[in-house]
Amino acid sequence: DTEVTQTPKHLVMGMTNKKSLKCEQHMGHRAMYWYKQKAKKPPELMFVYSYEKLSINESVPSRFSPECPNSSLLNLHLHALQPEDSALYLCASSQSGTGNSPLHFGNGTRLTVT
Amino acid sequence: GIQVEQSPPDLILQEGANSTLRCNFSDSVNNLQWFHQNPWGQLINLFYIPSGTKQNGRLSATTVATERYSLLYISSSQTTDSGVYFCAVDRMDSSYKLIFGSGTRLLVRP
Repeated sequence: DTEVTQTPKHLVMGMTNKKSLKCEQHMGHRAMYWYKQKAKKPPELMFVYSYEKLSINESVPSRFSPECPNSSLLNLHLHALQPEDSALYLCASSQSGTGNSPLHFGNGTRLTVT
Repeated sequence: GIQVEQSPPDLILQEGANSTLRCNFSDSVNNLQWFHQNPWGQLINLFYIPSGTKQNGRLSATTVATERYSLLYISSSQTTDSGVYFCAVDRMDSSYKLIFGSGTRLLVRP
């Protein structure tokens, strides 16, 4: 069982909708991540929060908006998405706030944009 | 940037067989991790192994940082070992930014 919990597991949304993905970890990890994975490809880093502050934004379009309300929670707000944004969205966490520790992934949210 | 190459890209085994997966990287790194992604998309961290050898049940990994490669050994494979195995290295200038290889897709047949 994963210790990083993501909801929902599946999400279908239209291009005009606004939705949010949620991620929670209770391992006391200090860094949290959002990754995007397309079929048959490795995960691609989107955002990193370290000690609840946004540390890295990998030039992600503004239709994706991350939020870290506290050290255990990470959200990804979605609006005006495109069909090509359909993918598996993975949340991850690591113990070290500097990234030098194992990365633990959640089970992901499969997003379909219609 | 750092290049991470995994081989073989695809592998089919009969249950009970052993296998070795390889990960080569083109520059010095702080760390290396191996992950298994099962057919349902779940990514599990198998090893965090900057150097040396580690074992976890039927799996073991060895990283030779000075020669820029890592090996993942799977012994007595089971159908549940099927999926994609990724290695990932972190850049010296940013330990947050893992560079993933393209993966080895493993199918274990009963």
